[in-house]
Amino acid sequence: QLQLQESGPGLVKPSETLSLTCTVSGGSINNSIYYWGWIRQPPGKGLEWIGTGYYSGSTYYNPSLTGRVTISVDTSKNQFSLKLTSVTAADTAVYYCARRVAAVGSLDYWGQGTLVTVSS
Amino acid sequence: DIQMTQSPSTVSASVGDRVTITCRASQGISRWLAWYQQKPGKAPKLLIYATSSLQSGVPSRFSGSGSVTDFTLTISSLQSEDFATYYCQQANVFPYTFGQGTKLEI
Repeated sequence: QLQLQESGPGLVKPSETLSLTCTVSGGSINNSIYYWGWIRQPPGKGLEWIGTGYYSGSTYYNPSLTGRVTISVDTSKNQFSLKLTSVTAADTAVYYCARRVAAVGSLDYWGQGTLVTVSS
Repeated sequence: DIQMTQSPSTVSASVGDRVTITCRASQGISRWLAWYQQKPGKAPKLLIYATSSLQSGVPSRFSGSGSVTDFTLTISSLQSEDFATYYCQQANVFPYTFGQGTKLEI
């Protein structure tokens, strides 16, 4: 059974960089039919697509975050990561990693999510 | 970005009821629409992909239909475990976007 697990600091100071890692187990990240993505959900609010990465290294980012976000895929560790720079309180959210099925665009496996709070 | 608008925002129902949630896209998305169920403190769970395909393991009381801009999620006979928030997501154009959610409450 595929599992995804987010890890990283739960508290980040304003203007600093948020860094999260998603570890994939029970399946290989080195698979051409899947992309690997990050989605976030501010407390009490809806879902926002951050971006996706591919085993080949290609990426796509939400234009609302372009310039601040980097997603990278490490096939040797079966992990992918998220970096978001210059964070503000508006970046406080539960961050989810998920697997996106390339052919249909849906997210079929999700991590449990990790709350990241931006505060001094 | 494509805007996804769900209605209603909240729906009250009882066990055994049939419930329909709608999702409208601000422009055509063909059939690239997914539905998710989210319970408090949990990650969303994929129910339906490509408008009407049932994700493996999801009960058959869930069904989806629609095309282009108008889509529906139907739960044929509500069970107690179905009370949750439901989101639609378009997968036709980047950035993929979600509806604002529909809370299904008792």
